[in-house]
Amino acid sequence: AQKVTQAQTEISVVEKEDVTLDCVYETRDTTYYLFWYKQPPSGELVFLIRRNSFDEQNEISGRYSWNFQKSTSSFNFTITASQVVDSAVYFCALSEMDSNYQLIWGAGTKLIIKP
Amino acid sequence: SAVISQKPSRDICQRGTSLTIQCQVDSQVTMMFWYRQQPGQSLTLIATANQGSEATYESGFVIDKFPISRPNLTFSTLTVSNMSPEDSSIYLCSVEDQGGSGANVLTFGAGSRLTVL
Repeated sequence: AQKVTQAQTEISVVEKEDVTLDCVYETRDTTYYLFWYKQPPSGELVFLIRRNSFDEQNEISGRYSWNFQKSTSSFNFTITASQVVDSAVYFCALSEMDSNYQLIWGAGTKLIIKP
Repeated sequence: SAVISQKPSRDICQRGTSLTIQCQVDSQVTMMFWYRQQPGQSLTLIATANQGSEATYESGFVIDKFPISRPNLTFSTLTVSNMSPEDSSIYLCSVEDQGGSGANVLTFGAGSRLTVL
């Protein structure tokens, strides 16, 4: 069965600190996608990244970076030099490549950035 | 990416009543999805709504409780029927991404926050 675990329910850091959000997944599929979404207090989920199972290269986008490791079934998300605007709930998700938009969602990690 | 408008953004409802949530997309999309997010919880897919066919419901959700309409390629409604306090949730409309982010990427509306008293 597929499963996504975000063990960190809530993280609180002071602005400008680096923070890593963990995501561990389970799947028997050899081809799959992994995702991160951000849900700010306004409620709308914002897509951040999709990674396919063939591509283990880490990705960096500004202050955001993602570390995908198939050996540990993890897809962790790091925010460097955090800002108050990064405060949100972050969701990790998994889907089979041919699942037609059927995503398995983690429970989410609430990130609080204190000024 | 597509822009999704949901109405109402929030509402307070009485037990036993029904409420219809509207989802309007600014472009034509084949697949629309309705999610429920209970307080402090993750997202749960209610159903997939394709134009021209009946919605496909996930386990635990039934048409009598959550009737869905999909009259065209830009619009859908979800009705929450005979509401109870357990139906208090955010209901989110989403569509297949139109912005080239790739397969299985979803674009979401801002959600409709329902409180049932």
